[in-house]
Amino acid sequence: NAGVMQNPRHLVRRRGQEARLRCSPMKGHSHVYWYRQLPEEGLKFMVYLQKENIIDESGMPKERFSAEFPKEGPSILRIQQVVRGDSAAYFCASSPVVAYEQYFGPGTRLTVT
Amino acid sequence: DQQVKQNSPSLSVQEGRISILNCDYTNSMFDYFLWYKKYPAEGPTFLISISSIKDKNEDGRFTVFLNKSAKHLSLHIVPSQPGDSAVYFCAARYNNNDMRFGAGTRLTVKP
Repeated sequence: NAGVMQNPRHLVRRRGQEARLRCSPMKGHSHVYWYRQLPEEGLKFMVYLQKENIIDESGMPKERFSAEFPKEGPSILRIQQVVRGDSAAYFCASSPVVAYEQYFGPGTRLTVT
Repeated sequence: DQQVKQNSPSLSVQEGRISILNCDYTNSMFDYFLWYKKYPAEGPTFLISISSIKDKNEDGRFTVFLNKSAKHLSLHIVPSQPGDSAVYFCAARYNNNDMRFGAGTRLTVKP
């Protein structure tokens, strides 16, 4: 049973480009969460999605960031027109329908040059 | 707003001794608390949890204590081992799947 998968593991983008981060949840998990970890900081909640629905996006910056979890395929976190301050590790987690624990992927480290 | 706080960014203990990691929270609606462990370049992994209706949960060398009146929980590791060296995140859950994390405490266990 494969765990949560994220790709790419490392992503380098120039300022102004778009970044797409992918997350495939564990088999049987229909809830996906995205977190961001800035250098020397903890995990910051960004968004919580179920299949085809955004449940809570209270942690998402209002501009340039969007997330989706389509009926088929992985969840995507999209950052448009990246800036240096977007450089961080982005973690995806998943859980079954009713769960107390979230299972994390290995993260995508985004570097904006 | 920082609803979950880990005020000690780092902790260093000797192998075999007890490690105590602390966490404070402000939201009384949290109903479930978790500790995650994170190694460099990896995602956090679940370690131990406790429901708000309990005050203690034990799993091997790991024990989590919850003091609801003080809005405080702690993780005890006894005896500490060098392999326990990692960053430990405290997390609190409310509203079913909504979870908030602390900033983490880096534990170093010296041989």
